[in-house]
Order: sequence, then structure tokens, then C-alpha cells
Amino acid sequence: DSGVTQTPKHLITATGQRVTLRCSPRSGDLSVYWYQQSLDQGLQFLIQYYNGEERAKGNILERFSAQQFPDLHSELNLSSLELGDSALYFCASSFTSDYNEQFFGPGTRLTVL
Amino acid sequence: AQKITQTQPGMFVQEKEAVTLDCTYDTSDPSYGLFWYKQPSSGEMIFLIYQGSYDQQNATEGRYSLNFQKARKSANLVISASQLGDSAMYFCAMSTSNYQLIWGAGTKLIIKP
Repeated sequence: DSGVTQTPKHLITATGQRVTLRCSPRSGDLSVYWYQQSLDQGLQFLIQYYNGEERAKGNILERFSAQQFPDLHSELNLSSLELGDSALYFCASSFTSDYNEQFFGPGTRLTVL
Repeated sequence: AQKITQTQPGMFVQEKEAVTLDCTYDTSDPSYGLFWYKQPSSGEMIFLIYQGSYDQQNATEGRYSLNFQKARKSANLVISASQLGDSAMYFCAMSTSNYQLIWGAGTKLIIKP
């Protein structure tokens, strides 16, 4: 158990819908990262927050947004969902944002029908 | 361009043998970090080992060691005395100066009894 929690574990929804994925980092960690892992594209970095502020942006679509709240938990919002958004979404956390190992949550498996 | 290359899509190894998983990287950053993660079939991402670019000695964690050859830009993972539970996907990743982790495509390791 990494100490990072993600909810829900599984999510099934329809195209065009909007969903919110939630992540609580390990106690004491200030950085939260979001990743998408799909079969055809491997692990893709989406976005990073550090102590409430956006620190780095990766291959995140405009239909996706995220935020980190004062209690350091984070939410990833996915809207206007498409079939291709079906993937495993991971949240990871680390103490700082620099060159530290990231501890991953169990992931949320999103299926868009 | 910053890149991680894992040239072995899959490997079969006999139980109790040592195994080396290859990883080469490309970066112009003077300071970076290299990571190995394990992803079993259950899906979670498990941190294994970390090597900093300025670390003089190769990192070791139990049965895992990282063979870091800076001049060759390689960071191979060595697993000694492999076990059936080592069967999983293994990912090499590199942290960059803009706080992102760049991931390789992964190597699927299967340990044969």
C-alpha cells in the first residue's frame, strides 16, 4: 500500500459525459501528479500540482482539467468524454517536485461506452 | 529531445536466475533522476529503485540494483535470484528539469518455474 488513495476504482460512463476522479496523496506529500495509461499510448504524464499550484503540464487535453485543494487532495475532471478516453488514470504523489520517487495510487479504470 | 528507450518488449527468464532489463535515456539536463517501476497484472504501479545523476554509486534495494553507466546513458535494472512474483511489466522513467517524468514503453517480464 503506497498511501495514495484514488476513488472511484472503476467508472463506466457514456460518451459526452463528464466525470471527476479523486486523489488523496500520502501524508506529508505536497506534489500530486496525474497520468493516463492506455493500451496504445503507454503511460502519459498529464499534469502536476505542487502545494496547490500547477507546476507542470504534459499531454493533457483541453477537455481535461485538474486542481489541488488546500488539504492537498486533487481532482481530475474529464468532460465531453470520448471512447478514446477509456484508460487507467493514475495519481501519484511525492514530497517535493524535484527528482523524487513518486508513489502511485491504485488507479481509476475509466470505461467510456 | 528527452527520451527513454526500453528495447526489450518481453523477456522469459527461468526462476532463480538473474535478469537484466535494459534502459537507455537521452537528456541534455545536467541533473536528472532515473527510476524503475513494476506494474503487476493487478495494475498498481510500484516504485522499485532510484538513481540520481550525480550519485557516485549504483543504487541497490534488496534484490534490485541499478547498473548506471552515465557515459553510455544507460540505467539497466538487475534483479537477482528472480522469483515467480517478479512477473510483471517494468518501466524505466527519467525526471526532467521541468518536473515531468518521461516513461519508457516497458518490458514484460515472465518468470518460468
